[in-house]
Parts: sequence; C-alpha cells; structure tokens
Amino acid sequence: EVQLVQSGAEVKKPGESLKISCKGSGYSFTSYWIVWVRQRPGKGLEWMGIIYPGDSDTRYSPSFQGQVTISADKSINTAYLHWSSLKASDTAMYYCARHSSSALDYWGQGTLVTVSS
Amino acid sequence: QSALTQPASVSGSPGQSITISCTGTSSDVGDYNYVSWYQQHPGKAPKLMIYDVSNRPSGVSNRFSASKSGNTASLTISGLQADDEADYYCSSYTSSNTRWVFGGGTTLTVL
Repeated sequence: EVQLVQSGAEVKKPGESLKISCKGSGYSFTSYWIVWVRQRPGKGLEWMGIIYPGDSDTRYSPSFQGQVTISADKSINTAYLHWSSLKASDTAMYYCARHSSSALDYWGQGTLVTVSS
Repeated sequence: QSALTQPASVSGSPGQSITISCTGTSSDVGDYNYVSWYQQHPGKAPKLMIYDVSNRPSGVSNRFSASKSGNTASLTISGLQADDEADYYCSSYTSSNTRWVFGGGTTLTVL
C-alpha cells in the first residue's frame, strides 16, 4: 500500500527555522517526483515545488523560490520542506503528494504549521 | 489570483447532476491534456478524482466524469450524493515557469 506519512504539527515563532518531513512507503520512492502543496487557512491549494528523490532534481514555483528549500534523503525514503526564517504568513497546512506522470495520486495527511509570536 | 478560474460555489440536490468549470489559457489547459481534478473534504487531504482530462483512478465512482474543450475543462458529477459535498480543485500543467497550477477551488453544496 502506497503511503506518505508527514511529520506532526508545529508551532513556531517568527524568525525561527523549521524542517518538516514526508516519508514514503509501499512503492519505489526514488522513481516518483514528490510535490509540496501549501493551503493557507480557508484558502485554496498552491503548488510550491517538486523534487525527484532519485537524483534530488528540484524545481520551485516562482512564488516560493528562495522562500523554502525542498530536499530528500533517498536512503530513508523521506522528503523535506525547510524554512530558515519563518514568517506569520507561512501559517498553513502543508501537504506532500506523489506525482505520477501528470497528477498527484497519493497525498500525505498534511502538516499544520502555525507561526505566531 | 489563481492561474485557473473556477466558480466559487455550485449546488445541487441529491440525484441531480452538476458541472464545475475550470478555465485556463492556451498555455495550460488549452495546450496540454494534463488536467486533473481533486476532491477535498473539510479537514482532509485532497483526493485525486480525475487525471489526464478524463481518466478515473481505480476506486473512483463512475458518477464522476470530466472533459475538456479549448481552454476550459469540466468536471461533472451525476447522481449527487451527500458525501459529494466538498471542495473541488482542478490542476493543469503549464508552459509558464510555474510548471503546474491549481484552480481556486469550487465548493459543492448538496442541498
């Protein structure tokens, strides 16, 4: 069974750093792209970026370039989303999803990030 | 502002059919057959309902169908059921440097 399991909810202060994770199982983790998607409270889905764990090839949506870093450790089937300095506007639910050809066929359960002073 | 335009809300009675539109441009929906649709219930992760314009993943009810004409894709849900009440998002590949885009989402209310 394909599963993407994300790390738990986080509460952080502005300026702090954070790395959240997404662990894949039940399939060849290095053979599919992983996408990160942001959903702010009460808002729609936003495509953040995509990584191929096989070789760590990474692409960012222009809105997120320089704001976050996407990485992966194929030895433990895990992808990451990292912020070096959080802002209140980063408060959102973050989803990882497996990109299969042309769609996101499996999704993680989401990680809620709350940034507040 | 989202790259793909969806109506904010649609509604229908149980048993009826509804259609949700997703309008893009010749740089995305109009030029690629890589349109997908996602269902999201409150507090849950999105679920893939349609890929490659009109294909249903295994396990998705055949009450869900989709198509594309020009720059507009459409999702039709027939025989509406209470559990269909959710938010629906379209997505498409785009030749712009964003690579992939979502629509703004449509809230379906089953009356």
